[in-house]
Amino acid sequence: AQSVTQLDSHVSVSEGTPVLLRCNYSSSYSPSLFWYVQHPNKGLQLLLKYTSAATLVKGINGFEAEFKKSETSFHLTKPSAHMSDAAEYFCVVSGGGSNYQLIWGAGTKLIIKP
Amino acid sequence: GAVVSQHPSWVICKSGTSVKIECRSLDFQATTMFWYRQFPKQSLMLMATSNEGSKATYEQGVEKDKFLINHASLTLSTLTVTSAHPEDSSFYICSADRTLNTEAFFGQGTRLTVV
Repeated sequence: AQSVTQLDSHVSVSEGTPVLLRCNYSSSYSPSLFWYVQHPNKGLQLLLKYTSAATLVKGINGFEAEFKKSETSFHLTKPSAHMSDAAEYFCVVSGGGSNYQLIWGAGTKLIIKP
Repeated sequence: GAVVSQHPSWVICKSGTSVKIECRSLDFQATTMFWYRQFPKQSLMLMATSNEGSKATYEQGVEKDKFLINHASLTLSTLTVTSAHPEDSSFYICSADRTLNTEAFFGQGTRLTVV
């Protein structure tokens, strides 16, 4: 069975400082992992994905994530936060098997302080 | 990238009425679409998996007679909330995939408010 744990429900950083959003997963398969962002009153947007290629994945808007199998982690980082990064972020693992489903983390709300 | 269009983006309806939400894949064929529901301050919850030409597979605890799903073509799936009640108020999102284990493409979501 697959599961995803986002370790922080809220993260607050000052503008211009680094961002770290933590995600741990468990999977019986070789997982595909994703980070999605949801801005208020908007749909979901894919930030980046890992699908068994390079373990360091670069995404949009300066975000990146590193797949660490030994730690079963897929943390999302950004060197310098911007006010527009304030949103809810979801870590997701693919369900695998014959039918593609997504297993969602509970989400982390990123707050950017001016 | 692929585009999934969900309509309407928001709807307000009276208790007891039914609401239909459409999910269209605009530039690809989606044999499978998924319907999610997002409760306030919580993550998305998968409601059902919709396969073109067959009955949807509902997750445990989701009433199939209340949330009717139709996937009549490779580009369209609909979710109908029947006899809506205020507790059905939520954010509903659909997604579609083209191939296994790649990213899913999401609609914009529909905010349903039942008054």
